[in-house]
Amino acid sequence: DTEVTQTPKHLVMGMTNKKSLKCEQHMGHRAMYWYKQKAKKPPELMFVYSYEKLSINESVPSRFSPECPNSSLLNLHLHALQPEDSALYLCASSQAPSYEQYFGPGTRLTVT
Amino acid sequence: AQKVTQAQTEISVVEKEDVTLDCVYETRDTTYYLFWYKQPPSGELVFLIRRNSFDEQNEISGRYSWNFQKSTSSFNFTITASQVVDSAVYFCALSELGSGGYNKLIFGAGTRLAVHP
Repeated sequence: DTEVTQTPKHLVMGMTNKKSLKCEQHMGHRAMYWYKQKAKKPPELMFVYSYEKLSINESVPSRFSPECPNSSLLNLHLHALQPEDSALYLCASSQAPSYEQYFGPGTRLTVT
Repeated sequence: AQKVTQAQTEISVVEKEDVTLDCVYETRDTTYYLFWYKQPPSGELVFLIRRNSFDEQNEISGRYSWNFQKSTSSFNFTITASQVVDSAVYFCALSELGSGGYNKLIFGAGTRLAVHP
């Protein structure tokens, strides 16, 4: 089973709201990732967690706050977002650093 | 700096035609990994293949085949007898093993393939 699940599928939020995106995998993968994808662009890496520790933060604004409560779960907390943050947010996981990443279906976020 | 170039922005073919998607990469490392992903209109990226820098064997999987040539830094993807369900954006990606137990995927811009009946 190579499934990564993400909730919600769609999210509309105002600039003053606080919301969270959730990602879950049960493949025993030890690396998890958040990507942001704008329309007609490739995914851009935001964060990498390896063995539940934040390994990479690609200079993401602090209004995005990742959290890895355990090896199967990855959250992305959102606060005071801007309209330009509207995008598809993709979660991925991989067995090990050099292995392929498996992606979830994404959360389509609209900031109004 | 690492870079992946997919020069073909959009390709349009008629069903049953063969189509090749080009991918050229740049890296200074001797150990690296190359990937192809498919992104259908639904949005989810689907993993297709992973190839490491030491394995230059070509691979065939059903109607899909990949040609890896280190000499030209290319990793091209061919779909034989294309079908409407192949319509998607295809991304080529390069991964380098970094410190701290992670790998970072560097994506090309993607090639949008439209297969018409």
